[in-house]
Amino acid sequence: TQLLEQSPQFLSIQEGENLTVYCNSSSVFSSLQWYRQEPGEGPVLLVTVVTGGEVKKLKRLTFQFGDARKDSSLHITAAQPGDTGLYLCAGVLDSGYALNFGKGTSLLVTP
Amino acid sequence: KAGVTQTPRYLIKTRGQQVTLSCSPISGHRSVSWYQQTPGQGLQFLFEYFSETQRNKGNFPGRFSGRQFSNSRSEMNVSTLELGDSALYLCASSSLLGTGLNNEQFFGPGTRLTVL
Repeated sequence: TQLLEQSPQFLSIQEGENLTVYCNSSSVFSSLQWYRQEPGEGPVLLVTVVTGGEVKKLKRLTFQFGDARKDSSLHITAAQPGDTGLYLCAGVLDSGYALNFGKGTSLLVTP
Repeated sequence: KAGVTQTPRYLIKTRGQQVTLSCSPISGHRSVSWYQQTPGQGLQFLFEYFSETQRNKGNFPGRFSGRQFSNSRSEMNVSTLELGDSALYLCASSSLLGTGLNNEQFFGPGTRLTVL
C-alpha cells in the first residue's frame, strides 16, 4: 500500500498552460518534500514544507502543505518545456524516520 | 564540488547471481541511503548508513545488504537475484544522519539493474 498517492499519474500539456499535481495521504507527515527527476538522473529536491497550511513559491512553482499535514499540491504557472520531468512527493511520517515517496507524476510540456 | 557518483550505471545479470553496486557520496557527507525505484512501486527506502553503521532499514528481504567504508563510500549487495529485482537503484548522500529539515539528500544518477 502506497502511503502517498499522487495524481495525475501522467500529464501532457502545451507550453504556457497551468497545472496542478496532487499528493494525498491518510497519514500525518512531519514534513513533505517535492523532487523533480529527469531521465537518467536522480531526483533533485525542489522544496521542503513542514508547517500545516504552509505555502512556498519557487519562481513559477507554488507548493502548498495541507492544514492537517496529510496532503500537498504543486502548481506550475505558464509551464515551459524545461519543466518536463517526473515530479515526486516524499514525506516523513510523524511517527517514522524514512522518506516515503509517491509514485510520481510524469509531466510532458510541449512547445 | 563533485556530486554523488554511482558505478556501474548499467548492469545485466541472470537469476540466481549476485551483484554489488557502488556509491561515492559528496565529499564531507557521512550518510548514504539506498533506494530502489520501479515503475510499479516507485521509490522505496532500502537502508541508511552513517559512520560505517547501518542506522535504518526498509522492508526488504535479507538478500539486500550493504556496507559503508571509512571514507563514507558505500556498497550495496543483492544475492540470489530475482526477476523482480530489476530496478533503478539510487543512492543519496547527506551531511547528517536522518531526514531532518536541514539535512538535504543529494541523489546520484542510479544504477540500472536488469535481471534476465
